Amino acid sequence: AQSVSQHNHHVILSEAASLELGCNYSYGGTVNLFWYVQYPGQHLQLLLKYFSGDPLVKGIKGFEAEFIKSKFSFNLRKPSVQWSDTAEYFCAVTHGTALIFGKGTTLSVSS
Amino acid sequence: SAVISQKPSRDICQRGTSLTIQCQVDSQVTMMFWYRQQPGQSLTLIATANQGSEATYESGFVIDKFPISRPNLTFSTLTVSNLSPEDSSIYLCSALDSEAFFGQGTRLTVV
Repeated sequence: AQSVSQHNHHVILSEAASLELGCNYSYGGTVNLFWYVQYPGQHLQLLLKYFSGDPLVKGIKGFEAEFIKSKFSFNLRKPSVQWSDTAEYFCAVTHGTALIFGKGTTLSVSS
Repeated sequence: SAVISQKPSRDICQRGTSLTIQCQVDSQVTMMFWYRQQPGQSLTLIATANQGSEATYESGFVIDKFPISRPNLTFSTLTVSNLSPEDSSIYLCSALDSEAFFGQGTRLTVV
């Protein structure tokens, strides 16, 4: 069965620091990959997605992610975080037409 | 992009009772899903809500406990039956359009 691992449970950064959140999935076939963000009190929003093509995908708010097939990874990055990036981040992979989510990473950014 | 309205946003229920959660999408969507997010954990897929037929449940979830209806392409309900404190969680509706969209969730507390 497909599974998703997010290695960082809670990340604390200062503003302007760089961010990288790890995500690994288990299934070796063709997958679609996603990063979602959930700001406090709000619903899940799509940050970016990878279906095919260029393995470096750019999303909203300056986020990007790199798909490395050989490592079954889809890490999320941002060169310089802002206080407003404080949120919970979820990596997800397709499971049929639904999504399987990682446990999430809480990002806290201090100003 | 689809907009999902989910209600109630929160409820406190007595054990042994049931809660029905409604999910309304502002456009017709092919696929709708229900997820559970237990405290401190990730989103877990409960079932795929199929229009005009019985829902497809994931391992560990059964129809008697989580009956689901989907009378048309824009609406679905999830009932959590015979509530126990272990059912305290956030329940999320999701719809698949060009991407997966999520409602704001229903925070259920069972006392």
